[in-house]
Amino acid sequence: AQTVTQSQPEMSVQEAETVTLSCTYDTSESDYYLFWYKQPPSRQMILVIRQEAYKQQNATENRFSVNFQKAAKSFSLKISDSQLGDAAMYFCAYRSANAGGTSYGKLTFGQGTILTVHP
Amino acid sequence: DTGVSQDPRHKITKRGQNVTFRCDPISEHNRLYWYRQTLGQGPEFLTYFQNEAQLEKSRLLSDRFSAERPKGSFSTLEIQRTEQGDSAMYLCASSWDRGEQYFGPGTRLTVT
Repeated sequence: AQTVTQSQPEMSVQEAETVTLSCTYDTSESDYYLFWYKQPPSRQMILVIRQEAYKQQNATENRFSVNFQKAAKSFSLKISDSQLGDAAMYFCAYRSANAGGTSYGKLTFGQGTILTVHP
Repeated sequence: DTGVSQDPRHKITKRGQNVTFRCDPISEHNRLYWYRQTLGQGPEFLTYFQNEAQLEKSRLLSDRFSAERPKGSFSTLEIQRTEQGDSAMYLCASSWDRGEQYFGPGTRLTVT
């Protein structure tokens, strides 16, 4: 079974600075997707960024970028120019890309990292 | 479209009672997922539907839990004989095939 581990329960950053959130995962599959989701307090979860495992190029979405190291099974999120609105719980998640795979369709989440942004 | 909606947003019930939650997905989405999230943890997969067919169920989904998606539109999740350990946020998400999953606001269940 696939597992996702976020080893940083809490992180903090000063406004306008850069912060990196860590994620490692374990899988025997070669084809999969990785995601970072943001869950603001009392608000619904939204997708921040997505990475396909077959792509070597790291995904980027405006101020958000990832460092995907497939061999190391590492998938970190970098937030540049942090803003107060970035404060939230961030979840790393895995999804199989193989039809019939054990987690096909469903997301497997890590434990989450609470990000605090200081003004 | 207003996104995924869930009803109720909060539910307080006494141990042993039955509860039912509803999820309305984004209208054109054929897949619907249920997850459970306990405080300070990541969501855990419970079950998912493609149209009206329930294609996968987690071992977390005990016999007291049942989910339906009649006509492939809205879905209900029922918990019978609730226990204190059932207290959690129940999240629903929908997607078109393997596309992005859009989450609803969740139903927070408290079992007293």
